[in-house]
Amino acid sequence: QVQLQESGPGLVKPSQTLSLTCTVSGGSISSGNYYWSWIRQPAGKGLEWIGRIYNSGSTQYNSSLKSRVTISVDTSKNQFSLKLSSVTAADTAVYFCARGVVVTVAAHYFDNWGQGTLVTVSS
Amino acid sequence: EIVLTQSPGTLSLSPGERATLSCRASQSVGSRYVAWYQQKPGQAPRLLIYGASSRATGVPDRFSGSGSGTDFTLTISRLEPEDFAVYYCQRYGSSSTFGGGTKVEIK
Repeated sequence: QVQLQESGPGLVKPSQTLSLTCTVSGGSISSGNYYWSWIRQPAGKGLEWIGRIYNSGSTQYNSSLKSRVTISVDTSKNQFSLKLSSVTAADTAVYFCARGVVVTVAAHYFDNWGQGTLVTVSS
Repeated sequence: EIVLTQSPGTLSLSPGERATLSCRASQSVGSRYVAWYQQKPGQAPRLLIYGASSRATGVPDRFSGSGSGTDFTLTISRLEPEDFAVYYCQRYGSSSTFGGGTKVEIK
């Protein structure tokens, strides 16, 4: 059973860069037909897809965040990472990493999720 | 960008009752690219339905999904105590979009 675990600072200052890592265990990030995604959820609100990466390094981002987001993968460590630059209080949320089952190019639904990590943007 | 609107926002029902949750897209999403998730407080979402009507592994058969085009439905045939949660639909295509969620609460 694949498990995902987010890690990173829980507090980030405004205008700085938020950095999170998702470690995948119980399976290789390089095997299978999966995308690896980041999704966030502000307190009491809905889910927002941030972006995804394939094990080849191919990425796709939410157009509303594209200018500030970078997702990368380290297959040797079985990890993928999120960087979100120039953060503001509006970026305060629980950040989830998730495995996406590829249906077609770009289309994927999420069958495995990390438990989520709260990131607060505050000075 | 396709927008998903879920209704109602809150559904107040008793255990044993039938729950019908709606997810409407602002434009056609085809017949297959919709998933449903269940989320309980403090937990990650759990995949229930993909491809509009296929149950994920381990999901009880009281959960069923239907629909195509712009209108999709998640039905819980008889609510169990553990089913009271928030439910989200997702459209997956060139990008992923989630609906705003429906909370199913105990009446």
